[in-house]
Amino acid sequence: GENVEQHPSTLSVQEGDSAVIKCTYSDSASNYFPWYKQELGKRPQLIIDIRSNVGEKKDQRIAVTLNKTAKHFSLHITETQPEDSAVYFCAAYTGRRALTFGSGTRLQVQP
Amino acid sequence: DGGITQSPKYLFRKEGQNVTLSCEQNLNHDAMYWYRQDPGQGLRLIYYSQIVNDFQKGDIAEGYSVSREKKESFPLTVTSAQKNPTAFYLCASSTTGGDTEAFFGQGTRLTVV
Repeated sequence: GENVEQHPSTLSVQEGDSAVIKCTYSDSASNYFPWYKQELGKRPQLIIDIRSNVGEKKDQRIAVTLNKTAKHFSLHITETQPEDSAVYFCAAYTGRRALTFGSGTRLQVQP
Repeated sequence: DGGITQSPKYLFRKEGQNVTLSCEQNLNHDAMYWYRQDPGQGLRLIYYSQIVNDFQKGDIAEGYSVSREKKESFPLTVTSAQKNPTAFYLCASSTTGGDTEAFFGQGTRLTVV
């Protein structure tokens, strides 16, 4: 089955800096890659996603890049703010079963 | 108010007991999922259902059971066969398969006492 690895497990940045979280996947059939944000005590919520026919997608301060050849994708957050502090999960979908999630990255933005 | 609702928020179970976690959605979604969340391990798939009266095992189905008798409901039973049930359980739903946005419930924290 699909396996998704996510790095780093924790990330601390200063407010205004950029943050990058990286994920790799194992199944070349994966075609959908969402990112979820889970604030403390709350449910995960989708923040951005990308499909395999696109190399990059941007939404204001967040962007996702996909390299199908290398089987990795990344989340980029620019101009980080304290409200960006949360746990971020990447995921991959092969067209079978359900989403496979990474282990999560705890992002802390220091004011 | 549309959404996906899990109950209870907190649940305590004695060893040897079965407990059932409720998950209800009014989003008219076909697909529903159960994930288990442990610190440092992300979300691991327990069971999923893409249509009423059908469900499939995920990666960690042992010790769990589900039913999907109604489109809106996907209850999860944690049986006494689950050796380490203390965890945070998340239910989710999506319109069709896994390539559409998944909406999560607020979760149930299960503790074995």
